[in-house]
Parts: sequence; C-alpha cells; structure tokens
Amino acid sequence: DVKVTQSSRYLVKRTGEKVFLECVQDMDHENMFWYRQDPGLGLRLIYFSYDVKMKEKGDIPEGYSVSREKKERFSLILESASTNQTSMYLCASRSPGTGWRATEAFFGQGTRLTVV
Amino acid sequence: SQQGEEDPQALSIQEGENATMNCSYKTSINNLQWYRQNSGRGLVHLILIRSNEREKHSGRLRVTLDTSKKSSSLLITASRAADTASYFCAPTSGTYKYIFGTGTRLKVLA
Repeated sequence: DVKVTQSSRYLVKRTGEKVFLECVQDMDHENMFWYRQDPGLGLRLIYFSYDVKMKEKGDIPEGYSVSREKKERFSLILESASTNQTSMYLCASRSPGTGWRATEAFFGQGTRLTVV
Repeated sequence: SQQGEEDPQALSIQEGENATMNCSYKTSINNLQWYRQNSGRGLVHLILIRSNEREKHSGRLRVTLDTSKKSSSLLITASRAADTASYFCAPTSGTYKYIFGTGTRLKVLA
C-alpha cells in the first residue's frame, strides 16, 4: 500500500520558533509538494520539489523554506513561526510526468499546526 | 498551471440521491483529475480523465469533460453517508504543479 507519511497530525508551537514539518514517501516518487489549506481559501501551493535537492517556489513561499536531501523525504521549515501560519499543512508526492503523462498525487494525512 | 473552480461550494442531499458537482477552468488542458478529502484528512485521488475523453466511469462515479466549454462534472450516483467529503478538481497541462481550488463540500444526510 502506497504511503505518504507526515511526522505529526497535530502540532502546537510558539511564535518565533523554528518549525520543521517532515514528510516521507515510500513510492520512489521524484515530485513532492507542500500545500497549506485554510477555510475559504482552498489548498495553496507553498513549495514543490521535482527531484532531490531541487525545489521551486509555489504561490505562497514567504516565511517558508524546504529541504530535499533524500528522495523519500521533503521537509517544510517555518523559519520563525507566526500566528498567521496556523493552518493545515498537506504533503503530496507523485511520479514525474506532465501533460499527457500527468499522474495521480498521493497525499499525507495532514498536519494541523497551531502557532500561539 | 491553472486552478479549477468547483461549483457549487456546498451541496446537501439525501442518502440514495445523486450528487453532481462541476469544475471550470480557463485554458486548454491535457487531463483533469478529481480528488476527495474527508474532514481533516489528506486528499485521495478518485479519477483522471484525459482531454481526448468525454466520459469516464469508476464504480458509482461518472466524470464528463467538455473541452469546448472548459468544464467537467463529477456525478456520484446513489450517494451514501460515507460520500460526505469535499471534492476538488485539478486541471493539468504541461507543468509539475497541481493547483486545487476551494472544492465542493458534499453532505449526504442519512
């Protein structure tokens, strides 16, 4: 059974803390993504990685960074957590392929982060 | 990359009824995918339809695609309480990125 695993389901952090959200996939996928989901705003893409050590900004990268040192792991880093980063964070992965060869994305269970 | 817009935003039906939700997009695509999200969980892929297909079935799901109108619809027949979820479309073309909208929230009443 394919799996994308996020390290925590719920997380509470203090303002100003550096926060690491980890995502691991066991499908040997090249592409990995981080989204945040907020009520009324849908899913918004923060960063994605199309291969190891490769990353590209999504639509809302400000305040975030990412790390992809190994193929199976994609980390989202909140450099200095703020209350407006309280959200549901979703990680996804998929095998490469664009256009006609686009493939389905597999999602983790989500991390609900609260910054106080 | 482009975002699909799902419509309606919310839908409430009785168990056993059919549920139809729609997705519109702006530019040409290679395929379009539908995903389901149960409350507080990640998204799960339901079905992918390619731009040269007009209709596709998977169990109780029927997806249509009209590229001339740049729209797709997802029909769930004989709805069950377990179908209560949010549904998202992702139109895709020559890009790595999948962009999702705000989804349709479906509530199936027992």
